[in-house]
Amino acid sequence: SQQGEEDPQALSIQEGENATMNCSYKTSINNLQWYRQNSGRGLVHLILIRSNEREKHSGRLRVTLDTSKKSSSLLITASRAADTASYFCARGEAGGFKTIFGAGTRLFVKA
Amino acid sequence: GAGVSQSPSNKVTEKGKDVELRCDPISGHTALYWYRQSLGQGLEFLIYFQGNSAPDKSGLPSDRFSAERTGGSVSTLTIQRTQQEDSAVYLCASSPGLAEGNEQFFGPGTRLTVL
Repeated sequence: SQQGEEDPQALSIQEGENATMNCSYKTSINNLQWYRQNSGRGLVHLILIRSNEREKHSGRLRVTLDTSKKSSSLLITASRAADTASYFCARGEAGGFKTIFGAGTRLFVKA
Repeated sequence: GAGVSQSPSNKVTEKGKDVELRCDPISGHTALYWYRQSLGQGLEFLIYFQGNSAPDKSGLPSDRFSAERTGGSVSTLTIQRTQQEDSAVYLCASSPGLAEGNEQFFGPGTRLTVL
């Protein structure tokens, strides 16, 4: 499969808790992106981290990238019911613009 | 401003027929991508166009699939002799096409059902 590995496949937490999703890959990358998909808004870009960066923040989101381990994680702090969605990592492959998406993590935040 | 638009939003066709799916990217975006997503699955890369470069077709699943991008703007994905396994949501995305990589803006998708 061309897709990367994401875990967990599904995650259920209470509102206010933190959610962590992980992504692993095998190829060389230019960047690693995270997207959210829900039925209301379709696919939306959340954050991009470049291969020479190790950590990035955006609001309640924190992304880390470890190129030596070929892995990334997305942390959502103080989760809300509105964060319920599927979250996908997408690697921008080195040498071009090809982007490969993972299988996604389905997050359910209970109010 | 206008986002990425796709048409039709839904398409039901009979096995063996050809279909054309259209994508209108954000004006000025040089990169355009096609993906497909089966129910409950992730996105499968199909093809991307970047400026005037030759498209990367490495994700097209068979020679029944083809895509073109006219004038660096609108793109059409054509599926010939459709099969039931082609049923999926076909998503188009565009991005500014910066060398450092950049976010993709997705359209709402075309849901294709092959009977």
